[in-house]
Amino acid sequence: AQRVTQPEKLLSVFKGAPVELKCNYSYSGSPELFWYVQYSRQRLQLLLRHISRESIKGFTADLNKGETSFHLKKPFAQEEDSAMYYCALRAGFSGGYNKLIFGAGTRLAVHP
Amino acid sequence: DAGVTQSPTHLIKTRGQQVTLRCSPKSGHDTVSWYQQALGQGPQFIFQYYEEEERQRGNFPDRFSGHQFPNYSSELNVNALLLGDSALYLCASSQSGTRGYTFGSGTRLTVV
Repeated sequence: AQRVTQPEKLLSVFKGAPVELKCNYSYSGSPELFWYVQYSRQRLQLLLRHISRESIKGFTADLNKGETSFHLKKPFAQEEDSAMYYCALRAGFSGGYNKLIFGAGTRLAVHP
Repeated sequence: DAGVTQSPTHLIKTRGQQVTLRCSPKSGHDTVSWYQQALGQGPQFIFQYYEEEERQRGNFPDRFSGHQFPNYSSELNVNALLLGDSALYLCASSQSGTRGYTFGSGTRLTVV
């Protein structure tokens, strides 16, 4: 079964503290994983993808196939990072199919 | 570029009625996907349209149907509305063969 699990509904930290948003996945093929972010009153937008191995707004995520995880990390949280974060798995890209499977999301609240 | 445009932004319908939601994709995009996001959940894939045909479908009943027009815009139709259909409906567009998705702001449907 294809599934994405985000175990925490809410993660509350103070400004400057490290952040780790957990994501685990279940997929029989070779996964393609993403983190999407939704700021208050804004649309869902791509934060980063594992194939790019990039750092966006100080966030990084490493795909661990052994642990089937794709945790999102940031060493020092900022108040503007407060948002809803969704981990997503692309299923079946071969042939151009583009379905995304999302986790339930984690709300990150960064307090001053 | 206006990105992905969805209309209406909000809608209230009575149980048993029918509803049509609309989506205009981002310029240059030819593929449209629809997602349902219930309160407190991540988006769930409904179906995807390409070249005016349904190319892939998620686990949704036949009450959910769609259409894509020659200009790539799309409609989502839901018949015999149930209270459980209350959700945010997201449209996402992409260009076939590429990995990028752009999401709209969504239509919030409330069934009473």
